[in-house]
Amino acid sequence: GAVVSQHPSRVICKSGTSVKIECRSLDFQATTMFWYRQFPKQSLMLMATSNEGSKATYEQGVEKDKFLINHASLTLSTLTVTSAHPEDSSFYICSARKRGGKNTDTQYFGPGTRLTVL
Amino acid sequence: QQQVKQSPQSLIVQKGGISIINCAYENTAFDYFPWYQQFPGKGPALLIAIRPDVSEKKEGRFTISFNKSAKQFSLHIMDSQPGDSATYFCAASISGGYQKVTFGTGTKLQVIP
Repeated sequence: GAVVSQHPSRVICKSGTSVKIECRSLDFQATTMFWYRQFPKQSLMLMATSNEGSKATYEQGVEKDKFLINHASLTLSTLTVTSAHPEDSSFYICSARKRGGKNTDTQYFGPGTRLTVL
Repeated sequence: QQQVKQSPQSLIVQKGGISIINCAYENTAFDYFPWYQQFPGKGPALLIAIRPDVSEKKEGRFTISFNKSAKQFSLHIMDSQPGDSATYFCAASISGGYQKVTFGTGTKLQVIP
């Protein structure tokens, strides 16, 4: 168990458009979901923490108006990159933490979404 | 205080050898230490995790050694295989609540035949 999916896996868009990335926990309910950004050959950079039914908590330096996060249910969180620019091109990864039961400290990661902004 | 230092940055090991990756932390409030494996173009996958109440945890060919007094922990991959070639991240967090995970900088492991 503990499968997290992301959609789409790859997206190419034009500069100025908005892109939505979905993160779903397929076989468990998630207390909290996290959104990360990863540049080539670098570690994961936490962008924001998302709790179901409440506003996301953004890390310092992350523009909340540019990276809109919605956590509509215990199994779905979305990240919308608004007015995307080439510098937003990156690998975006979500993770989810289980609600209740064992291993609630473990984060289960999605497969990532490669965003390319032309 | 939130930083987790990881070394080496890259590692080349012969097939059948032992791969060792080290991490150190400062925040004594950390009480959960997972290791993640990431293949190119994929999300990280949990490999093994340890809590400070034990000094060692073994799962198959993977072992975590934990030294609470030194605030260090390490991953040992026994009988390393070419399929183990990936980037490994150590991490640390505080149990409970919505505490975020602090990741190390990553180690790129290459196992050569």
